Amino acid sequence: SQQGEEDPQALSIQEGENATMNCSYKTSINNLQWYRQNSGRGLVHLILIRSNEREKHSGRLRVTLDTSKKSSSLLITASRAADTASYFCATDFSGGYNKLIFGAGTRLAVHP
Amino acid sequence: NAGVTQTPKFQVLKTGQSMTLQCAQDMNHNSMYWYRQDPGMGLRLIYYSASEGTTDKGEVPNGYNVSRLNKREFSLRLESAAPSQTSVYFCASRTRDRAAGNTIYFGEGSWLTVV
Repeated sequence: SQQGEEDPQALSIQEGENATMNCSYKTSINNLQWYRQNSGRGLVHLILIRSNEREKHSGRLRVTLDTSKKSSSLLITASRAADTASYFCATDFSGGYNKLIFGAGTRLAVHP
Repeated sequence: NAGVTQTPKFQVLKTGQSMTLQCAQDMNHNSMYWYRQDPGMGLRLIYYSASEGTTDKGEVPNGYNVSRLNKREFSLRLESAAPSQTSVYFCASRTRDRAAGNTIYFGEGSWLTVV
């Protein structure tokens, strides 16, 4: 089964609202990454948080990591219609540096 | 700046046919990956190559073979295509330099339909 599981599977909000997506994983990690995928395109890296970090910011993105609960959240503040996409978390195993495993993703729809 | 380039972008195969998906990266990355993505699903790792000359199985390797031809190129072969292999295939690469942040870079995908 996949290492990372996102929640919710789908999220629909209005422009200007905040969007929060969660990711849970099963084993120890070196880092956790969030990616975005526009429909029909490849994935684009958004942000990486290392296992010894608890929170990280990048523009309108805020990522938290709770290693005791094996979970992470991605917050997009003041969402825009252009944020409409699927968002995936990916975990980098502690025991296998090269084996980056993705979750099933959250489909975000931001309505004007 | 090409990044990760995959070919072909679209392919229709008949059951039992074989084909090879090609991938090349120009970022001097050590590690390369092949993922598949089924409709509405996340990416599942098929095979990866930590460095030139090595390959390892991922989550769903059955029905596939790979070749790390050189540092730039990593191909994925379907020896006898099955309808269950209808999917979008993504090639990706990244550096092994942890200080560089471990970001993985993706190609634009190859849409494969097996009929």
